[in-house]
Amino acid sequence: AQSVSQHNHHVILSEAASLELGCNYSYGGTVNLFWYVQYPGQHLQLLLKYFSGDPLVKGIKGFEAEFIKSKFSFNLRKPSVQWSDTAEYFCAVTYYTGRRALTFGSGTRLQVQP
Amino acid sequence: GAGVSQSPSNKVTEKGKDVELRCDPISGHTALYWYRQSLGQGLEFLIYFQGNSAPDKSGLPSDRFSAERTGGSVSTLTIQRTQQEDSAVYLCASSASAQIRETQYFGPGTRLLVL
Repeated sequence: AQSVSQHNHHVILSEAASLELGCNYSYGGTVNLFWYVQYPGQHLQLLLKYFSGDPLVKGIKGFEAEFIKSKFSFNLRKPSVQWSDTAEYFCAVTYYTGRRALTFGSGTRLQVQP
Repeated sequence: GAGVSQSPSNKVTEKGKDVELRCDPISGHTALYWYRQSLGQGLEFLIYFQGNSAPDKSGLPSDRFSAERTGGSVSTLTIQRTQQEDSAVYLCASSASAQIRETQYFGPGTRLLVL
């Protein structure tokens, strides 16, 4: 079955620290990859997405992610986090050969301490 | 413009009762999705509608769950004979088309608690 793994369930960082959240997906052919964020009390919103081309994708609020096909990974990064980045982050994938719906990872809760 | 809206925002019901959850997608969006977010299962796909095509029901956990989409717009998710394990946040999303690269925009969710 198609699946997405996020190995970091809860991450605590101090402001200005660098962030990397891991995401791995199961093989299933050509994929589209997404990172969504859910701020406290708010609904899911898109941070960035990858379809093809440059494997380094830049999103909103200074986030970026790198697609490494050989590792089936799509890790999210930010060089310097802020307190306002405290949120839950979800990696998701759609497969060209599968259904249109997103398959989500279990999420990573990021807590940034001022 | 307006985003995806869902109602009610919270619903408390007794085990065995039926509930209906409503989703208003972004105007003009032809694809509509229902997901469920629960502590034990994370975010799971439930059902997907695209235009007038038959819905993809492959994510529905049991035959107690059903959904319809009237007039290609508003959708209702119905859970019959609710069970405690149905307690979760039910999320609706819409996208401009069924193209696989389309971004799905999520609503605020309905938090369902089954006592």
